[in-house]
Amino acid sequence: DVKVTQSSRYLVKRTGEKVFLECVQDMDHENMFWYRQDPGLGLRLIYFSYDVKMKEKGDIPEGYSVSREKKERFSLILESASTNQTSMYLCASSLVANTEAFFGQGTRLTVV
Amino acid sequence: AQKITQTQPGMFVQEKEAVTLDCTYDTSDQSYGLFWYKQPSSGEMIFLIYQGSYDEQNATEGRYSLNFQKARKSANLVISASQLGDSAMYFCAGGGGGADGLTFGKGTHLIIQP
Repeated sequence: DVKVTQSSRYLVKRTGEKVFLECVQDMDHENMFWYRQDPGLGLRLIYFSYDVKMKEKGDIPEGYSVSREKKERFSLILESASTNQTSMYLCASSLVANTEAFFGQGTRLTVV
Repeated sequence: AQKITQTQPGMFVQEKEAVTLDCTYDTSDQSYGLFWYKQPSSGEMIFLIYQGSYDEQNATEGRYSLNFQKARKSANLVISASQLGDSAMYFCAGGGGGADGLTFGKGTHLIIQP
């Protein structure tokens, strides 16, 4: 089975901190994604990557950056955390475009 | 990119009844896919069913079927004989030919009542 693992289930960070969310997949998938989920808004795409060192902005990239140095690992970075970035963050991967995405268990981030 | 619309924020259904969750989409892609995911209260996203834009038959997976009407741009999820364990958030999602990820609707919160 495909496994997508996010490094933390819950995080509490202070405003202004630099925050790293890590995601690892074990099925050699080309594509990896970061979404944030907020009540009433569904899942919104922050960034995605279709290859090592490649990254593309999604729908809501402001305040975030990403890193993909290895195929299996995709990191989301909050350069200076703010309270409006309190949310559930979901990492996903897929083998190729337009196929099933496999999700991690999510990281619930609270910025205080 | 696609636009996915789910118009039912919440639904209450009696156990053992069939449920239809609505989803409409808008895309300029010729080739695309439509997906349904279930998210229980534990938070994990569970893939349920997929329909490709060129598939002639409606997709089915056990108690789940996808009522795909291309002319209406709808991809409704049908759950037959609902069970208490079906209570969850359900998300419709769409993907096009590029590698730009799936676009999700806002979700429907389904509650199955005994």
